[in-house]
Amino acid sequence: VQLVESGGGWVQPGRSLRLSCAASGFTLDDYTLHWVRQAPGKGLEWVAGISYNSGNIGYADSVKGRFTISRDNVKNSLYLQMNGLRAEDTALYYCVKDRAMITATYFESWGQGTLVTVSS
Amino acid sequence: EIVLTQSPGTLSLSPGQRVTLSCRASQTVSSRYLAWYQQKPGQTPRLLIYGASSRATGIPDRFSGSGSGTDFTLTISRLEPEDFAVYYCQQYGSSSITFGPLSFGQGTRLEMK
Repeated sequence: VQLVESGGGWVQPGRSLRLSCAASGFTLDDYTLHWVRQAPGKGLEWVAGISYNSGNIGYADSVKGRFTISRDNVKNSLYLQMNGLRAEDTALYYCVKDRAMITATYFESWGQGTLVTVSS
Repeated sequence: EIVLTQSPGTLSLSPGQRVTLSCRASQTVSSRYLAWYQQKPGQTPRLLIYGASSRATGIPDRFSGSGSGTDFTLTISRLEPEDFAVYYCQQYGSSSITFGPLSFGQGTRLEMK
């Protein structure tokens, strides 16, 4: 299983950024996928999740209405569109594979993360 | 949303000692849907335990999980030098009906004395 995130970087408050995750080594459309973030020196925070066929989607309250998770099983990719970014969104964003297909459960495999810095 | 509180925040111990970490939920975690992760500095989290007490693939049997309802524990029977890390609990019981939200505890740091 390999998950490789990209798209992070420095961005000003209020701007947008789109993260991508390229998956390999497993059948992507058999699993729920998530974004989990970790602010510098802080703990883990679940951001969003999406079931195998995009039929079930969930967001943390802290990002609801600003972030959109999506996936393209043909391209073996997961995405996170982040709009209206705030300083508190600064974090390392991990792409994570769930063990389930339809529901959101626990996190079996993690990418190395992509760093998002929101600052003026 | 289910809030998870881990205690203590930091523990200073020596190799060979036994340690029990606590994770308390603000409401019942249905069906023991609780997992534990280990994170070492500069590394990604690693799944240790799921379903409150099932060890993930490749996890040594010195790691064990227990609990139900609102109180869960992770026990390391005999600390090895590589076990000094931060440990997080995570609940997924709230996802049994709706898709999330999932939540983590704030972590417990195990330091070598």
